[in-house]
Amino acid sequence: QVQLVQSGAEVKKPGASVKVSCKASGYTFTTFYIHWVRQAPGQGLEWMGIINPSGGRTTYAQKFQDRGTMTRDTATSTVYMELRSLTSEDTAVYYCARTKTGTTEFDFWGQGTLVTVSS
Amino acid sequence: SYVLTQPPSVPVAPGKTARISCGGNNIGSKSVHWYQQKPGQAPVVVIYYDSDRPSGIPERFSGSNSGNTATLTISRVEAGDEADYYCQVWDSSGDCVFGTGTKVSVL
Repeated sequence: QVQLVQSGAEVKKPGASVKVSCKASGYTFTTFYIHWVRQAPGQGLEWMGIINPSGGRTTYAQKFQDRGTMTRDTATSTVYMELRSLTSEDTAVYYCARTKTGTTEFDFWGQGTLVTVSS
Repeated sequence: SYVLTQPPSVPVAPGKTARISCGGNNIGSKSVHWYQQKPGQAPVVVIYYDSDRPSGIPERFSGSNSGNTATLTISRVEAGDEADYYCQVWDSSGDCVFGTGTKVSVL
């Protein structure tokens, strides 16, 4: 069965970086794009960007272009999202989610990773 | 940037119909997807491409999209439908946009 399994919760200090992983299984890794979506406590969903696992091409929401980096490891079917220069406003649950090539809906989501930024 | 506006809350009695609106400029020209999110869980798609229903989603969930408003309709509401609901589109610049979210409360 399809699974997107994310790494565990993180606590970081302001100014630090965090790297969250998303390991895919149960499908062909290169046939689905992987996106990152975050949700601050009590708030709505915010799209961060997309990576094509086939070639590694990325596109970021303008807000994250300078601080975010998405990478993938095809050998382990894992996608990574790194966010730098963290502030308290980056405290959120970070989700990976997939879209099939040629479609636009997120048909499967990871379980989420809570990142807490606190001094 | 493109903005999608949803009502913050929609209260509904069991067995009745809940209608959740998603307003956006000429949203009828875009494909709208809807997600259900229960507390502590990841979102789940309940309607995609305006009105298609994934396997496993009850027929009670339906969608429409025209003009400046897309609508998610939940018929014969059950207690288990209590959740936050988000609409989602892709804007003309290639960015994903989520609606502000609506909490459906079953009275």
